[in-house]
Amino acid sequence: QQQVKQSPQSLIVQKGGISIINCAYENTAFDYFPWYQQFPGKGPALLIAIRPDVSEKKEGRFTISFNKSAKQFSLHIMDSQPGDSATYFCAASKGTYKYIFGTGTRLKVLA
Amino acid sequence: GAGVSQTPSNKVTEKGKYVELRCDPISGHTALYWYRQSLGQGPEFLIYFQGTGAADDSGLPNDRFFAVRPEGSVSTLKIQRTERGDSAVYLCASRIEGAATTGELFFGEGSRLTVL
Repeated sequence: QQQVKQSPQSLIVQKGGISIINCAYENTAFDYFPWYQQFPGKGPALLIAIRPDVSEKKEGRFTISFNKSAKQFSLHIMDSQPGDSATYFCAASKGTYKYIFGTGTRLKVLA
Repeated sequence: GAGVSQTPSNKVTEKGKYVELRCDPISGHTALYWYRQSLGQGPEFLIYFQGTGAADDSGLPNDRFFAVRPEGSVSTLKIQRTERGDSAVYLCASRIEGAATTGELFFGEGSRLTVL
């Protein structure tokens, strides 16, 4: 019940394309859903986050879509750039922000 | 610096040895977390401190792992009798609490532990 399942494991997108990463959770008590970006040798950094009272949140080229009834949420990266090449992690938490992370998606954006 | 600082950045040790990993959180962040990240995996929760006390240590894998935060700032993760399976990157994160919190965890760059 504590798992967050993430797919795909890896993704290759052409420059200018849309990257889509999906996550699913089971615990309906989760109330905070962030996406983190991690470059090799660095710690994860927050990209964007959403709470379940809204179905979508957009910040620049990054959008989270949230489907509470399906217990799923996704990250969309519009106009993907080579600099977006990184590993992306979804996560879920409640209360104390003890994040449960997904297994990660390795994104490569081709120039 | 303004970010979460972790030392050492790399630690190579032999099986059975004792290891200490240090985390210096962002000034004013009272919440501190330790995570472990194995190669190709997402970070796994180990322990969460609220001030000086461990509010949740449910992720510590066994009694060889212990963490302290005696003054509510710097934290040390201690691993006794290291095993090869302990090899991973140990990440520390901090968060501001109270009304100012957004829920964001600020991560350090991690300490890469290799047990030979």
